[in-house]
Amino acid sequence: NAGVTQTPKFRILKIGQSMTLQCTQDMNHNYMYWYRQDPGMGLKLIYYSVGAGITDKGEVPNGYNVSRSTTEDFPLRLELAAPSQTSVYFCASSYPRTVNSPLHFGNGTRLTVT
Amino acid sequence: AQTVTQSQPEMSVQEAETVTLSCTYDTSESDYYLFWYKQPPSRQMILVIRQEAYKQQNATENRFSVNFQKAAKSFSLKISDSQLGDAAMYFCVNQGGKLIFGQGTELSVKP
Repeated sequence: NAGVTQTPKFRILKIGQSMTLQCTQDMNHNYMYWYRQDPGMGLKLIYYSVGAGITDKGEVPNGYNVSRSTTEDFPLRLELAAPSQTSVYFCASSYPRTVNSPLHFGNGTRLTVT
Repeated sequence: AQTVTQSQPEMSVQEAETVTLSCTYDTSESDYYLFWYKQPPSRQMILVIRQEAYKQQNATENRFSVNFQKAAKSFSLKISDSQLGDAAMYFCVNQGGKLIFGQGTELSVKP
């Protein structure tokens, strides 16, 4: 099983450029999440989705957009990249919290904005 | 607002000893879940333990146990018989309306 697949693994952007981080899961999970992790810090929730067509803001949504047109895919869009968006981005998925099952994380995307 | 606070950025324990990591949280949800996740240098997240807020009994998983104090909104993790492989960053996580992580506690284990 592939689990949660994130692409790309690394990316360098210039200030003002845009890009989309891809996230796909093959476990039929309803819930999907995007986090960013700065060095030595915890994970900050950017956006999350509880099912296809439903998205909601997390703790740090500014500068990002998401969509959830299918159960499998949850892309994260960065518009007008800024140095403050330099971070490691993790996508995760899960069943509803009532199900005793862990979060599944992708391997992360290391993004540098210069 | 939903928050999770880990007040210990770093902790150290001697191999075979016991260590307790602290966590406090705040949520307006009446139904929520709490977790401890471990992140080794590989960056992959590993579930350590899960607690349903409606259960009074503290969760245990082998050498890992929690002290869940619902009224105090406290959720500490106790690691018994610490092993070298326990060294990692540990995150306290609250799942109410959102899935919120604490800042993390870096645990080192001394041989």
